[in-house]
Amino acid sequence: EVQLLESGGGLVQPGGSLRLSCAASGFTFNKYAMRWVRQAPGKGLEWVSAISGSGGTTHYADSVKGRFTISRDNAKNTLYLQMNSLRVEDTAVYYCAKDPVEVWGLLGFYSDYWGQGTQVTVSS
Amino acid sequence: EIVMTQSPATLSVSPGERATLSCRASQSVSSNLAWYQQKPGQAPRLLIYGASTRATGIPARFSGGGSGTEFTLTISSLQSEDFAVYYCQQYNNWPPWTFGQGTKVEIK
Repeated sequence: EVQLLESGGGLVQPGGSLRLSCAASGFTFNKYAMRWVRQAPGKGLEWVSAISGSGGTTHYADSVKGRFTISRDNAKNTLYLQMNSLRVEDTAVYYCAKDPVEVWGLLGFYSDYWGQGTQVTVSS
Repeated sequence: EIVMTQSPATLSVSPGERATLSCRASQSVSSNLAWYQQKPGQAPRLLIYGASTRATGIPARFSGGGSGTEFTLTISSLQSEDFAVYYCQQYNNWPPWTFGQGTKVEIK
């Protein structure tokens, strides 16, 4: 059974940093691309960042480019999101999600499994 | 960036009735569209990919259709557990991967 368990969320002041983790189990982690998707309070889903199975390819939404860094440790079956220079508008539940492929080709694919999310609140 | 627009924002339906949700893309995404269901306090769940292929374990009452810029998600006979918010997402032109704003299906 695929399981994704996020952690690391919390309350942080504007300009601060947080590192989110997503522990994966139930599948061969290094064979699948992963991504982070967030949901602001009462709002819809927003893709944040994605990483290929090897970690060699990464993508970022313009809203977080230069501030967030996605990475993975395939030996630990764990996905990370380092978030720096946090803004009030980054407040959201952050979900990690698994893609059905190791690397994207012409198609970007979708996410077939999602974690339960971790809350990030940026406020003074 | 492809903009996804869902309609209606809220759909009021009685249990046992059919619900039809719409999703429009600002330019063609071929059949590279997915639908997700999200219940309050829960993570999204993949329902449909490739515009019309049901994901593993998804009941047959859920069906997807369309291609290009116009898509539909149909729930043939609404069950109590189907009342939720539904999102479409395109994966044809990326990044970014873009979602619609969601349609809430509520009990009439």
